Amino acid sequence: GQNIDQPTEMTATEGAIVQINCTYQTSGFNGLFWYQQHAGEAPTFLSYNVLDGLEEKGRFSSFLSRSKGYSYLLLKELQMKDSASYLCAVMDSNYQLIWGAGTKLIIKP
Amino acid sequence: DVKVTQSSRYLVKRTGEKVFLECVQDMDHENMFWYRQDPGLGLRLIYFSYDVKMKEKGDIPEGYSVSREKKERFSLILESASTNQTSMYLCASSPGTTSGANVLTFGAGSRLTVL
Repeated sequence: GQNIDQPTEMTATEGAIVQINCTYQTSGFNGLFWYQQHAGEAPTFLSYNVLDGLEEKGRFSSFLSRSKGYSYLLLKELQMKDSASYLCAVMDSNYQLIWGAGTKLIIKP
Repeated sequence: DVKVTQSSRYLVKRTGEKVFLECVQDMDHENMFWYRQDPGLGLRLIYFSYDVKMKEKGDIPEGYSVSREKKERFSLILESASTNQTSMYLCASSPGTTSGANVLTFGAGSRLTVL
């Protein structure tokens, strides 16, 4: 079966760095997405990786290793507004998205 | 600002009632989707549509139907609501491309409670 694993919850301190991991087993691979979802709001797109390596976008970076079935989202200089759930999703060979359950990130002052 | 608008943020219905959830997008997107989101689970796809009057079953279509009479509107219908359909329902749209970089734009969600 297809599976996406990510931690349920993480806690970090304002100003620090946090890494949210995502591992996957899917039927084929056409890219990996990260979305951010604040409580009670719509998920919003953060990043897309289809090739191995690191993609940097401001304070957020996303890394992919296709051979290991592994990605991480790196958040630097954490701010209180980064408290949210982070959703990992993989597009399989049929261009269907498989979603992880999400990681709730709690930022403490 | 591009938008996906879901008509109702909160609904409370009784078992057996017919429920309509409406979704409208203003981005001229080809693709539209209905997901449900439950605690501890990933988003689960109910139905999707790649064109007007076209619909495809997702992973959990049982108990649901959809309608797409116009490109911008995608409706989710619960013919006879049941308590296990209490959930957050998310509508999303994306451009009409088969490339992997097909980013979804989501609506704010409709939280349905079935009593």
